[in-house]
Amino acid sequence: QKEVEQNSGPLSVPEGAIASLNCTYSDRGSQSFFWYRQYSGKSPELIMFIYSNGDKEDGRFTAQLNKASQYVSLLIRDSQPSDSATYLCAVKQWDYKLSFGAGTTVTVRA
Amino acid sequence: SQTIHQWPATLVQPVGSPLSLECTVEGTSNPNLYWYRQAAGRGLQLLFYSVGIGQISSEVPQNLSASRPQDRQFILSSKKLLLSDSGFYLCAWSGTGFRANVLTFGAGSRLTVL
Repeated sequence: QKEVEQNSGPLSVPEGAIASLNCTYSDRGSQSFFWYRQYSGKSPELIMFIYSNGDKEDGRFTAQLNKASQYVSLLIRDSQPSDSATYLCAVKQWDYKLSFGAGTTVTVRA
Repeated sequence: SQTIHQWPATLVQPVGSPLSLECTVEGTSNPNLYWYRQAAGRGLQLLFYSVGIGQISSEVPQNLSASRPQDRQFILSSKKLLLSDSGFYLCAWSGTGFRANVLTFGAGSRLTVL
């Protein structure tokens, strides 16, 4: 079982719609959860992180965490063509290690 | 502000040749440093991390090694490259305290082994 799993996509959404990305993790003791965006050929950049159950909003992005279900999601509202990228879910498992999922590719259609 | 530099950006190397990738961080002290590799279409694989000078932890046994000769310098090396070493290598740093787990990545080094 992979430590962090994501649907690879591609996820295609029309401009202005909501993109919903999902991530599950295997270690029930995981404490911190991160979403990174990676444009093709570039390095990942942090979008947001979440530590507590519930929702956390930052602009057009909302992260949702459910530790009981070992599930974290990212919603992108009012999707723009510039949101087209691969989104990586990362989970902190112990002191210094982050484990990454393989990423979900999102394409926003103009 | 903190910045991370990584070089070279791109390199093509023959099988069996050596490798050296370098990463430096500016604007902070005693950062946690990481080397990740991303194979085509795959997730990020943690290779090495370091919490201080001379302190290296290896996650994956292979023909790669890492060193931290100075506080803000992290080097990835190999004596003899394999075809399977091809990939996108990413150096990252994190701070301490609340943001200890927030990784900031360098621009990456794309390695092709022929």
